[in-house]
Amino acid sequence: NAGVTQTPKFQVLKTGQSMTLQCAQDMNHEYMSWYRQDPGMGLRLIHYSVGAGITDQGEVPNGYNVSRSTTEDFPLRLLSAAPSQTSVYFCASRRTGGIGEAFFGQGTRLTVV
Amino acid sequence: GQQLNQSPQSMFIQEGEDVSMNCTSSSIFNTWLWYKQDPGEGPVLLIALYKAGELTSNGRLTAQFGITRKDSFLNISASIPSDVGIYFCAPPIGSQGNLIFGKGTKLSVKP
Repeated sequence: NAGVTQTPKFQVLKTGQSMTLQCAQDMNHEYMSWYRQDPGMGLRLIHYSVGAGITDQGEVPNGYNVSRSTTEDFPLRLLSAAPSQTSVYFCASRRTGGIGEAFFGQGTRLTVV
Repeated sequence: GQQLNQSPQSMFIQEGEDVSMNCTSSSIFNTWLWYKQDPGEGPVLLIALYKAGELTSNGRLTAQFGITRKDSFLNISASIPSDVGIYFCAPPIGSQGNLIFGKGTKLSVKP
């Protein structure tokens, strides 16, 4: 019963470095999304996908890229990390159609120095 | 974008006390979801509300969908230490049902 798995759990990057945050789910959910959580800000949607090959922007997409080549995986790429991207990142998945429960991963805590 | 106002921002209570929190907006929603985030974890769904005026319970939790469809309330009765965490309201919006989150109510429970 893995659910939504995010790797790594912690990461420190230098400004300008690139990296990919991994997200995988084993529930055959069509919908996957990425959020960032900053202190006192709640969770804000970065990008989402309603199925393989389909992605769209959320509320705060700048500085992030996504792709969805399989149902299971939805990686989030930071092409050139900035200190403003220091945050905790959560991946979530759910069924599409109706209002299904979203299942969240444990998060990736990213620090950009 | 849509704004959600969640209050209070934080609460410090004694074990056994009841807790009330709410979420308000200037926008109308068709569904209200309440999530809880334990320290170091991702949010987990607690309760879902689908109809204006609906009152739903899940154990010691009771939530209500406001009659105006612009607000929702969450009550926790007889709090226990494991109730500690951040509680978020998160109504889905748009054709894809993307969740928007309030800023959360951080609950601390003193044994």
